[in-house]
Amino acid sequence: NFMLTQPHSVSESPGKTVTISCTRSSGSIDSNYVQWYQQRPGSSPTILIFEDNQRPSGVPDRFSGSIDSSSNSASLTISGLRTEDEADYYCQSYDSGNVIFGGGTELTVL
Amino acid sequence: QVQLVESGGGVVQPGGSLRLSCAASGFTFSGSGMHWVRQAPGTGLEWVAFIRFDGTIEYYADSMKGRFTISRDNSKNTLYLQMNSLRAEDTAVYYCAKDAGYCSGGTCHSYYYMDVWGKGTTVTVTS
Repeated sequence: NFMLTQPHSVSESPGKTVTISCTRSSGSIDSNYVQWYQQRPGSSPTILIFEDNQRPSGVPDRFSGSIDSSSNSASLTISGLRTEDEADYYCQSYDSGNVIFGGGTELTVL
Repeated sequence: QVQLVESGGGVVQPGGSLRLSCAASGFTFSGSGMHWVRQAPGTGLEWVAFIRFDGTIEYYADSMKGRFTISRDNSKNTLYLQMNSLRAEDTAVYYCAKDAGYCSGGTCHSYYYMDVWGKGTTVTVTS
């Protein structure tokens, strides 16, 4: 099984743009789709990005996903940061009967 | 609307057992794969298990194999997680989640990611 590695925490100011990375330890990042979930404090996770770069209805276009084969990683970019974006963000993928989550990234908007 | 409501959590001694339930509504439960995902206090998400829409395929995280069993009753729109030989490290909030797959033309597909989550039920393993 592979691992997905995320930075433990990131911080940025309101109105700015932040990017959270998710690096796959083995195998190609484009072998299986990557999803992103947002978990606000005290709440359940919600899906933010599916299939690398698709947004569910209702998710603002401030949120975008991408993959980069050269770094074998996926990225979540949040533009026009708002205080309500403060949350934990998790990447997730799948391979051969295993669902794998990254360790999560705590986003602080200060 | 689509809703998942977990129940059955509680306090149990090490070595004990517990069965969690997840009542589903607002979607065709019999056409959806389902997952259990857990989150230990102050830590990240950990996938526990998946069951195919018809219950014929089950997948488990390595650390849960042999101790946990996922099952479903499509006639009751309910998902279950039987947890045996519980350890302190199994202490967590357990979430039920719907797989994002779909059915079309009589064929159902699993996508192995979660598009709807319940609010979770808390399991505490302590002596």
